[in-house]
Amino acid sequence: GENVEQHPSTLSVQEGDSAVIKCTYSDSASNYFPWYKQELGKRPQLIIDIRSNVGEKKDQRIAVTLNKTAKHFSLHITETQPEDSAVYFCAATPYNQGGKLIFGQGTELSVKP
Amino acid sequence: SQTIHQWPATLVQPVGSPLSLECTVEGTSNPNLYWYRQAAGRGLQLLFYSVGIGQISSEVPQNLSASRPQDRQFILSSKKLLLSDSGFYLCAWSLAGGGQYFGPGTRLTVT
Repeated sequence: GENVEQHPSTLSVQEGDSAVIKCTYSDSASNYFPWYKQELGKRPQLIIDIRSNVGEKKDQRIAVTLNKTAKHFSLHITETQPEDSAVYFCAATPYNQGGKLIFGQGTELSVKP
Repeated sequence: SQTIHQWPATLVQPVGSPLSLECTVEGTSNPNLYWYRQAAGRGLQLLFYSVGIGQISSEVPQNLSASRPQDRQFILSSKKLLLSDSGFYLCAWSLAGGGQYFGPGTRLTVT
């Protein structure tokens, strides 16, 4: 079955710097890759996603890239702000399995003012 | 727009007691539904998912069960809770090929 590895587990940056979180997946048939942000005590929120037929997607300060050949995808946050501090999860959707998500282990991002 | 509800928000139950958590979705039809558990400071563990009424797929063998009696209703149950069942329980919905959207969660403490 699908397995998703996420790195790093913790990341600390200065406000205004960029942050990059990387994930790898094992099932080449996976075709949808969302990213979630979870603030302390809250539900995970979908912040950006990418499908397997696209290499890059941007939404203001966040972007996601996908390398299907290498089976890895990354989240890029530019001009980080303290409110970006949260746990970020990547996920992959195996093909034809009811849309279930296989999550990475999470990255705790801390943005220091 | 779509809305997902979960209740209760918090629950404290003794070991060996039964459990029933409910999740409902508004504003969409025939969603895929999911139950996750998140232990403190840990990742998201998929417990069950459903692609239609009465259709349940179990991801982890344990003392929990799930049911989908109506299109937009998903219930998580247990006959006898264990200490290890403590955690943050999240329900989520999606449409085919789309992202999953999570409910507010139920924080369960088994004492």
